Amino acid sequence: GAVVSQHPSWVICKSGTSVKIECRSLDFQATTMFWYRQFPKQSLMLMATSNEGSKATYEQGVEKDKFLINHASLTLSTLTVTSAHPEDSSFYICSARVSALYGYTFGSGTRLTVV
Amino acid sequence: GESVGLHLPTLSVQEGDNSIINCAYSNSASDYFIWYKQESGKGPQFIIDIRSNMDKRQGQRVTVLLNKTVKHLSLQIAATQPGDSAVYFCAEGTGTASKLTFGTGTRLQVTL
Repeated sequence: GAVVSQHPSWVICKSGTSVKIECRSLDFQATTMFWYRQFPKQSLMLMATSNEGSKATYEQGVEKDKFLINHASLTLSTLTVTSAHPEDSSFYICSARVSALYGYTFGSGTRLTVV
Repeated sequence: GESVGLHLPTLSVQEGDNSIINCAYSNSASDYFIWYKQESGKGPQFIIDIRSNMDKRQGQRVTVLLNKTVKHLSLQIAATQPGDSAVYFCAEGTGTASKLTFGTGTRLQVTL
């Protein structure tokens, strides 16, 4: 089946540094990818929609200069958390639309801890 | 039983019993609905989906019911097993190309 590979699975970084999270579609081309954030015991909140070859669309309240999204190819989207702060600590999950028939598939998530 | 409060709603069922997890969705224009299972520290795993032109769809041990009149979705799991213990989310979208909006989630605990 369609697989989205997300790396790293966890990362610890110092406050003020930047962290990049990668999301790759392994056996299909993903023109659209979605980035979610999930705090403990809460639901997934959509941060942005990433479109290959164009600028990402951010949800209201999400700082686009802080959460940089790049979708330079049909198989790779990246989320960079810039100048990370402890409040950015969360579980970040990417998702890709596989097709009209198969819907969406999700990455395994990245646990970010900012210390 | 169910509990709602500051924590994730929790449904406790005995192994072998049937589970019913409910979800109220908000957008009357939504026409695509999905149930996901999420285990601790992992991404959501697809369980079953349904389009708005249907009111019931069955999979292996799972059934999704859709009531568009009251904007309600339910997931029924037959013969619940310990491996079913997880958090379950419903998600709604408009078509299969749009972004998804996730519900608050329900934790299913299967007791032996």
